[in-house]
Amino acid sequence: SQQGEEDPQALSIQEGENATMNCSYKTSINNLQWYRQNSGRGLVHLILIRSNEREKHSGRLRVTLDTSKKSSSLLITASRAADTASYFCATEWRLTGGGNKLTFGTGTQLKVEL
Amino acid sequence: ETGVTQTPRHLVMGMTNKKSLKCEQHLGHNAMYWYKQSAKKPLELMFVYSLEERVENNSVPSRFSPECPNSSHLFLHLHTLQPEDSALYLCASSQDRFPRGYTFGSGTRLTVV
Repeated sequence: SQQGEEDPQALSIQEGENATMNCSYKTSINNLQWYRQNSGRGLVHLILIRSNEREKHSGRLRVTLDTSKKSSSLLITASRAADTASYFCATEWRLTGGGNKLTFGTGTQLKVEL
Repeated sequence: ETGVTQTPRHLVMGMTNKKSLKCEQHLGHNAMYWYKQSAKKPLELMFVYSLEERVENNSVPSRFSPECPNSSHLFLHLHTLQPEDSALYLCASSQDRFPRGYTFGSGTRLTVV
């Protein structure tokens, strides 16, 4: 299975602190993506990193990718209470019949307290 | 509003009912997907449509039947469901030749009684 595993499953921090979430996957990929989900809602795409990239930034987000270790990390700097949500990594690869397949990890529940 | 609209938002159905979930996108994307999210389980990919053709059926029981009449619309027809099919069903779309991430709808919360 291509499904990713995320670590930790749950993370509780104080506002202003940094939050780091890790993701591991099993096979080769075209890209890796991070998504956020507020309780019971749809997922929101945060950032995509291609397999030939090692690091990417977007605002307070920093993503790294190590294809040799099949792992990625998401760093949220200067966290805010509004960052409280579940965060998922997802790996994408091309299907032989056309189209792409995006498979999600188990997710990290982040709680940012005031 | 993400650009991917799912209806209805909530659905309660009996095991003998037939119902359909609808997904609509006007983002110009050429691929659409159905995912199932159950409590305590990772998101499960159900179906992939690329250029209106089904390219992936992830071992989904036949009581779930997808339909993609055009690149903007995707349906999931439901019949004789089981209580364990109760879940959040999410639709997503993407431009599969130029990956920039998927756009998800808000989902349909399905309860089978």
